[in-house]
Amino acid sequence: NAGVMQNPRHLVRRRGQEARLRCSPVKGHSHVYWYRQLPEEGLKFMVYLQKENIIDESGMPKERFSAEFPKEGPSILRIQQVVRGDSAAYFCASSLNHRGLTDTQYFGPGTRLTVL
Amino acid sequence: TQLLEQSPQFLSIQEGENLTVYCNSSSVFSSLQWYRQEPGEGPVLLVTVVTGGEVKKLKRLTFQFGDARKDSSLHITAAQPGDTGLYLCAGESQAGTALIFGKGTTLSVSS
Repeated sequence: NAGVMQNPRHLVRRRGQEARLRCSPVKGHSHVYWYRQLPEEGLKFMVYLQKENIIDESGMPKERFSAEFPKEGPSILRIQQVVRGDSAAYFCASSLNHRGLTDTQYFGPGTRLTVL
Repeated sequence: TQLLEQSPQFLSIQEGENLTVYCNSSSVFSSLQWYRQEPGEGPVLLVTVVTGGEVKKLKRLTFQFGDARKDSSLHITAAQPGDTGLYLCAGESQAGTALIFGKGTTLSVSS
């Protein structure tokens, strides 16, 4: 079985451009989570989605960031008008169910975004 | 605010040595998880501890959950170069919708 897939693995954008990060969860998983890892910091939760619904976006900046998980296709994290401070590794995780930590989140390899 | 503090931040040891890394909080967690992350990759789950005082063993790795469920430790016996990586602890947020991570311990084992 394929694990969580993220693409691209590396993304370079200039300030002001848009960044679009894709995440294909483990087959059959309907819960997707996005995390951001900044240098010298731990992983920070951004958003939790279940097919077609945003369940918790408390960790996502209110402006420029959006996320979706459509009925068909991968989950997308979109960052508009990127700034240098958006440079980070973005990780997606998926789980089969959502019952707190009793249901394992499987992480993808991440997308490393560099903003010039 | 729920925070998980990990110590030490960096650890560099020789092959064959033993080590312990710690994960502490002022908050009670229903359970804690330990992950290992290698450079350029995502975190991989090692273990979940659920019951206060619980001890779990995974080959040379021993995980312990504090009685009060506010802290955890990871002990590695006879470390090997293959143990090199970033070790992260994580707990469930109060809302139950996300994982809260510590900043991690970067372990380097040289032969």
